[in-house]
Amino acid sequence: GENVEQHPSTLSVQEGDSAVIKCTYSDSASNYFPWYKQELGKRPQLIIDIRSNVGEKKDQRIAVTLNKTAKHFSLHITETQPEDSAVYFCAASPMYSGGGADGLTFGKGTHLIIQP
Amino acid sequence: NAGVTQTPKFRVLKTGQSMTLLCAQDMNHEYMYWYRQDPGMGLRLIHYSVGEGTTAKGKVPDGYNVSRLKKQNFLLGLESAAPSQTSVYFCASSFRTGSGNTIYFGEGSWLTVV
Repeated sequence: GENVEQHPSTLSVQEGDSAVIKCTYSDSASNYFPWYKQELGKRPQLIIDIRSNVGEKKDQRIAVTLNKTAKHFSLHITETQPEDSAVYFCAASPMYSGGGADGLTFGKGTHLIIQP
Repeated sequence: NAGVTQTPKFRVLKTGQSMTLLCAQDMNHEYMYWYRQDPGMGLRLIHYSVGEGTTAKGKVPDGYNVSRLKKQNFLLGLESAAPSQTSVYFCASSFRTGSGNTIYFGEGSWLTVV
């Protein structure tokens, strides 16, 4: 099955600086890579996603890049703000040719801390 | 539009007791999932369903059972609760899986087994 590794587990940056979170996956059949943000005590919420036929996607201060050959993808947050403080999860989803599916496999999360 | 709702939100159980977590979605989604979240472990898939009347094991299914008798509901059962099942449980749903179908999560259910 799919295995997703996420680094770092904790990331502290100064407000206004950029933050980068990296993930690797193992299943070459994975074709969908979402990122979720989870604030303390709340549900994970999708912030951005990328499909395997796209190398980069941007939404305001957030961008994701995907390298299918190396099986890694990254989340980039620019001009960080206090409200960016949260736990971020990457995930990967394979679509097997037989039609079976087992949902998303998540990384273990990155606790992003924005220092004022 | 309620989305995905879970009940109960908080529960304390004694070891050996049983309970059922209820998940309901009003988005007409085919796929539903139960995840558990533990510190430093991320979200791990317990069981999932690809449609009414179907269930399948995820990566950590032991000690849990599920049922999907109606399309909008997905129940997670603990037959004999153990302290290792202390966790936050998230239900989720999607139209399909992979290829850009967003998964929507419920608000979570905090379960403590003493």
